[in-house]
Amino acid sequence: NAGVTQTPKFQVLKTGQSMTLQCAQDMNHNSMYWYRQDPGMGLRLIYYSASEGTTDKGEVPNGYNVSRLNKREFSLRLESAAPSQTSVYFCASSEAGPGEVGYGYTFGSGTRLTVV
Amino acid sequence: GDSVTQMEGPVTLSEEAFLTINCTYTATGYPSLFWYVQYPGEGLQLLLKATKADDKGSNKGFEATYRKETTSFHLEKGSVQVSDSAVYFCALLRNSGNTPLVFGKGTRLSVIA
Repeated sequence: NAGVTQTPKFQVLKTGQSMTLQCAQDMNHNSMYWYRQDPGMGLRLIYYSASEGTTDKGEVPNGYNVSRLNKREFSLRLESAAPSQTSVYFCASSEAGPGEVGYGYTFGSGTRLTVV
Repeated sequence: GDSVTQMEGPVTLSEEAFLTINCTYTATGYPSLFWYVQYPGEGLQLLLKATKADDKGSNKGFEATYRKETTSFHLEKGSVQVSDSAVYFCALLRNSGNTPLVFGKGTRLSVIA
């Protein structure tokens, strides 16, 4: 089925370890996003990519880096994991291009990350 | 900046009860408005949307009307089912530039038989 695929689904890291969360979409969408979801905080935007080759910071970018590898893939990297990064991470995509409005997002099923 | 405020949960209802989840927003201009639903253990799914004032979005028995005068987009359903138990998120998207969706904090709904 077409959609947004995230890997892995679960991960436990030790403080200071690094890892990359993978995200791929097969809908030919232009824009891609990384959010984190924490209890009582809703969804907070980490980074986004409005088109292939561009990335921008969101509300909570510290401690993360991203790469828009191609139009399909948008990865999120934690260089040195901290317990405060324990969260559920969601990737999303939208067919909207720069300046286009009104399009909803398609979300992946999430990665549950625990940093001990 | 842009923001969305939702009623705090959790909301607990009996089956067939009427549901209202309040959502108000602050934004420059006239954004598009959305409701997303998240079932346990899953990602968010688009439930409905409205892109201009007085539009009504509807899906699966849920409705929401874009009220410019009250900057609101309240979610309603006439008769909830146990299967509607989920977390509901209101969100806005500014209709200029290329700014991402802004979400409310979510409202957890539990429907009991």
